[in-house]
Parts: sequence; structure tokens; C-alpha cells
Amino acid sequence: GAGVSQSPSNKVTEKGKDVELRCDPISGHTALYWYRQSLGQGLEFLIYFQGNSAPDKSGLPSDRFSAERTGGSVSTLTIQRTQQEDSAVYLCASTSGQGSYEQYFGPGTRLTVT
Amino acid sequence: GENVEQHPSTLSVQEGDSAVIKCTYSDSASNYFPWYKQELGKRPQLIIDIRSNVGEKKDQRIAVTLNKTAKHFSLHITETQPEDSAVYFCAVAGGTSYGKLTFGQGTILTVHP
Repeated sequence: GAGVSQSPSNKVTEKGKDVELRCDPISGHTALYWYRQSLGQGLEFLIYFQGNSAPDKSGLPSDRFSAERTGGSVSTLTIQRTQQEDSAVYLCASTSGQGSYEQYFGPGTRLTVT
Repeated sequence: GENVEQHPSTLSVQEGDSAVIKCTYSDSASNYFPWYKQELGKRPQLIIDIRSNVGEKKDQRIAVTLNKTAKHFSLHITETQPEDSAVYFCAVAGGTSYGKLTFGQGTILTVHP
């Protein structure tokens, strides 16, 4: 079946502008994660949604970052007033939840803030 | 929170040799230990994982071993091939972190033909 998809694949924005990044998880997966990967670095956890529970936002680096998940499916990560240090690849992953930890990643959105 | 250390940061081997990458973690309650392979410009791909009730798991040329007492786990690749060249990341989940993965910094593996 279809895997995790993300859009756009690339986004170039000017410093100070807001951006929205979208993630479509695997159909039926109840858990959704956002990670950030800076150039040449490992992956950094941002936020986690599990079913109808309150999201775990413990990894969001500042209050300029927010995310929502509508209808338990698609998720949008919003970065307000972008800064150059926000430049990175933003990756989304989903799992079936219910004790399953195997996370399958989308292709990512490469964000460049100029 | 969880802290994961991965070594070495780079590893160069000849085709046919074995490669070993090691990770240590801090949260003794962690119970899920996956390894991801990431080729240049591609998404991370899950290649093997292990749960804390198992000491070793093999899948063809790849194996993972876990030592819960010492809080470390390792990826072993035998009979390496040039297509194994990539960045490998270990990760840890479970315990107080539940499903969210804490990643190591990655190992750049180069297999020379």
C-alpha cells in the first residue's frame, strides 16, 4: 500500500515568513511523529500524536513551532516567523500504534530559509 | 531524557569485511532498539530492530545484539558490499519516552570495492 507522503518536497522561504509542511501517514496508522534533521546531523524529535490523546510537544524547539492533526490522519507542521536556523529536512513517520514502535518515514520536506 | 551515543562516526571497510557499529543509551526502561539506513538524499529506512526481551536478532547479513545490563546494542554487517555504504543511525524508544525515538548521531559507512 501507499507509504507516508509529505509535501512539499522542497520549500524555500524568506526569513520571517510562515511555512506549513504537510504529512499524510499510512492509512490506519494511529501514531504520527515529526522529526527534524539538520545537515549532516541525526534526527531530532519534535512532536508526537497518538489517537485522540493530547500530543507530546516536548521536542518543539520554540513557540514558533506548532502542529496539528485533523481527523486523526493528516498532520500539518507550522513554523512561524522562520529563522535561518530552521533550515533542515523535516521528516514525518507513522506507526500503527497499540504497542507497535516500528516507524516508517516519509520522504521529508527540505526547508531552506534565506 | 534519553541520551544515545553512537560510535564510530565514520567507518571504512573493504568489501567482504565485517562492520560493527555500537550505541549506548541512558534510560534503563527503554525497550525498543531499531537501526536505520539512510542513503544520500533519501529517507531513513528501518533495517532491523530488537526488543528488550531478546538478546540477538539476525536477518541475512545483518544482526543486532543487545546488552541491557550494560545498556548498549550493536549492529553487525557481515560480508559487506559497496551498496551497504550509507549513514546508519541507531535509535531508542520505550520507557519514559514511550514511542518517540531518540537517535544516535549516525555512522558514515564506506565499503570499498
